[in-house]
Amino acid sequence: DADVTQTPRNRITKTGKRIMLECSQTKGHDRMYWYRQDPGLGLRLIYYSFDVKDINKGEISDGYSVSRQAQAKFSLSLESAIPNQTALYFCATGTGMPTGELFFGEGSRLTVL
Amino acid sequence: SQQGEEDPQALSIQEGENATMNCSYKTSINNLQWYRQNSGRGLVHLILIRSNEREKHSGRLRVTLDTSKKSSSLLITASRAADTASYFCATDRSGANNLFFGTGTRLTVIP
Repeated sequence: DADVTQTPRNRITKTGKRIMLECSQTKGHDRMYWYRQDPGLGLRLIYYSFDVKDINKGEISDGYSVSRQAQAKFSLSLESAIPNQTALYFCATGTGMPTGELFFGEGSRLTVL
Repeated sequence: SQQGEEDPQALSIQEGENATMNCSYKTSINNLQWYRQNSGRGLVHLILIRSNEREKHSGRLRVTLDTSKKSSSLLITASRAADTASYFCATDRSGANNLFFGTGTRLTVIP
């Protein structure tokens, strides 16, 4: 089984729908991250969490919300999806300060029509 | 805004040749990391170099860091077709406690 698991792997939805992307990890890491990848723009940080009581906005948090349900679970929600949120979303985990190696899930490809 | 910019955006070489990718960044950092991404897959960590290090090796990978120029390079020696992927640099910016990724270099190794 993968250390960082994302569900769903692919999702097509319509404008205005609420979408949740889920991430679970078995690595025992405290830190969890949500990144968005768009062609030509690399990865951009949406939200991150250093423990279950700590949630922080990243570079592009507008239109997104997150929930850290447990140390191992970190979900990303789009309350009302719009077409420019079509992207590949990655969850990652890590540990250490300064930031060390991140471990990525396989990604969730979201298409908003 | 992106912290790192890779150069070139795309690189195509013959199997057996060396591949060099460069990364520039804008602010002081704790460390710089390189990741690999096969098409549409998750990123995989390759190597981390700390701000007080100048060069690091891992197998066929060689990474250099010049903090005075705010730049790093990744050299892949004796490339293989299986090295075909996108390569990203990521910086742990001082005080930020996060990784900021560049836009990536798409490497194609022709058998």
